[in-house]
Amino acid sequence: KAGVTQTPRYLIKTRGQQVTLSCSPISGHRSVSWYQQTPGQGLQFLFEYFSETQRNKGNFPGRFSGRQFSNSRSEMNVSTLELGDSALYLCASSSGDRTNTGELFFGEGSRLTVL
Amino acid sequence: TQLLEQSPQFLSIQEGENLTVYCNSSSVFSSLQWYRQEPGEGPVLLVTVVTGGEVKKLKRLTFQFGDARKDSSLHITAAQPGDTGLYLCAGYRAGNNRKLIWGLGTSLAVNP
Repeated sequence: KAGVTQTPRYLIKTRGQQVTLSCSPISGHRSVSWYQQTPGQGLQFLFEYFSETQRNKGNFPGRFSGRQFSNSRSEMNVSTLELGDSALYLCASSSGDRTNTGELFFGEGSRLTVL
Repeated sequence: TQLLEQSPQFLSIQEGENLTVYCNSSSVFSSLQWYRQEPGEGPVLLVTVVTGGEVKKLKRLTFQFGDARKDSSLHITAAQPGDTGLYLCAGYRAGNNRKLIWGLGTSLAVNP
């Protein structure tokens, strides 16, 4: 089956701008999670959406937001970009079942550079 | 403070060598997962361990879950350049299946 698709793969923005990233999960998966990855902080959880509802949220400021559509596709938005927002943003798809072995399937990520 | 501590942080070895990387915690986990992330890609799941003391083998990779379910190790035999990547452990703490906890990873470079 098709994997997780993230767009765009690379983008460059300037401070103060906003950005929207898109994620299409694996067909049949209802959960989409977003992560920020930087060399010093590792994978930082942003939020999880399940059936169009935010089910879990990490410790990021309100500038980071997301949503999920009825077809399970998800978008995340970052407003008023800061230099520190430069990172690889990863989307992960899963069935969303609350088992203790839930596997995540990741996309290739969107590399954001803020100048 | 990281709930899951991975060591070493960086490892550079020659092709053919053996290595072990560790994932440790003071908390009990109901399961631990190991992922490998290659440059420019997202992490890919290698294995999930669930039972304390469990050992799983994936070709030259051997994964072990500690008896107390607080730690795990990954041993690679006869490493190859294709093993190069970031190895991440992640787990669900016992009693909380809602949040996956991540380690910072071990960056492995296998030189030909």
